[in-house]
Amino acid sequence: DAGVTQSPTHLIKTRGQQVTLRCSPKSGHDTVSWYQQALGQGPQFIFQYYEEEERQRGNFPDRFSGHQFPNYSSELNVNALLLGDSALYLCASSLGDRGTLSGANVLTFGAGSRLTVL
Amino acid sequence: LAKTTQPVSMDSYEGQEVNITCSHNNIATNDYITWYQQFPSQGPRFIIQGYKTKVTNEVASLFIPADRKSSTLSLPRVSLSDTAVYYCLVGRLFSGGYNKLIFGAGTRLAVHP
Repeated sequence: DAGVTQSPTHLIKTRGQQVTLRCSPKSGHDTVSWYQQALGQGPQFIFQYYEEEERQRGNFPDRFSGHQFPNYSSELNVNALLLGDSALYLCASSLGDRGTLSGANVLTFGAGSRLTVL
Repeated sequence: LAKTTQPVSMDSYEGQEVNITCSHNNIATNDYITWYQQFPSQGPRFIIQGYKTKVTNEVASLFIPADRKSSTLSLPRVSLSDTAVYYCLVGRLFSGGYNKLIFGAGTRLAVHP
């Protein structure tokens, strides 16, 4: 059973460019969350997708956008890249919470996409 | 969601039991506690979660007192491979289909020979 798959694993961009990161969730999961993790810090919540809609969003500018496809896979797009966008971008999938502590709300993370902006 | 506070770092030795305590004073009735482990250049990995009292799995135990304002992750007989960052998070049980977890800075555990 494949876990969460992210691509690419590493990429280098220059300031002002745009980037698209991709995520395939764990089999059976229907919810995808994206996190940004700068070096030495904890993951910062960007947004979460469920039923192809952005359900919740963290404190990130509109330059960060996303999409969820009918097969539950997801993309994270970042426009007008800044040096400060250099980070590890993590995708996490889960089975949307159903109001019970049954393990359905456990996040499974991918290995991340390391973005370097020069 | 309740803010969590945990030690920035801890040191231990192989074979010892490690207890990491997390404070979440403003936890709500429908909030639960969950812990994740993260190694360098990897995504966090789920360890354990609970709502009250004690939960135990093959990896760790989670102790939650009656007032639920804190929780303690217990790692029995740690090894060098347990050196990692440990995150305590509070999540909310929704009736809908989504969940949101906010990570703090975590506790950096260093296990020494």
